[in-house]
Amino acid sequence: EAGVVQSPRYKIIEKKQPVAFWCNPISGHNTLYWYRQNLGQGPELLIRYENEEAVDDSQLPKDRFSAERLKGVDSTLKIQPAELGDSAVYLCASSLGDRGTDTQYFGPGTRLTVL
Amino acid sequence: QKEVEQNSGPLSVPEGAIASLNCTYSDRGSQSFFWYRQYSGKSPELIMFIYSNGDKEDGRFTAQLNKASQYVSLLIRDSQPSDSATYLCAVKLGSNYQLIWGAGTKLIIKP
Repeated sequence: EAGVVQSPRYKIIEKKQPVAFWCNPISGHNTLYWYRQNLGQGPELLIRYENEEAVDDSQLPKDRFSAERLKGVDSTLKIQPAELGDSAVYLCASSLGDRGTDTQYFGPGTRLTVL
Repeated sequence: QKEVEQNSGPLSVPEGAIASLNCTYSDRGSQSFFWYRQYSGKSPELIMFIYSNGDKEDGRFTAQLNKASQYVSLLIRDSQPSDSATYLCAVKLGSNYQLIWGAGTKLIIKP
């Protein structure tokens, strides 16, 4: 069974430029998560989708970040414009659902460097 | 503010010994508890989860949960150099199923 797929793996951009990340979850997983992880910290949830509905985007900086999951499968996270503080690893995870012991499985992540 | 606390380490353990990792959480309504391992430059991978008080064993790993004291621990028996990684504790809230993450404990197994 294929795992969570993310692209690109690495991205280097200059500040004020836009950037987009793509995620394809494990087949059959209805719940999709975007996290940001800074060095030495745990993952920080940006947005959680149940199918195509964003059910928790309270931590998403909406002035510059946007996300979509139009058909309830793959998803795109966009930053426009990027700032120096956005440098981090962006992780996508998926799970069957979001109850009890439903387990989140992570993709390899995208390491973003903003210069 | 729901919190999950872990000692950042590093925790240094000799090869073959038992490594003990601890995690405390603030929300008494938390219902399930996860341990993930993260190698440097890699993404987190699930080791195991626990939701009932007591011990749960999986190979060399044992998770221990004490809801009254609000802590969960992970024991690694016969520690190997390949166990050197950061171990992340994550706690799922019962109210909204949100997963709250600790900052992780860095474990170093010395040959």
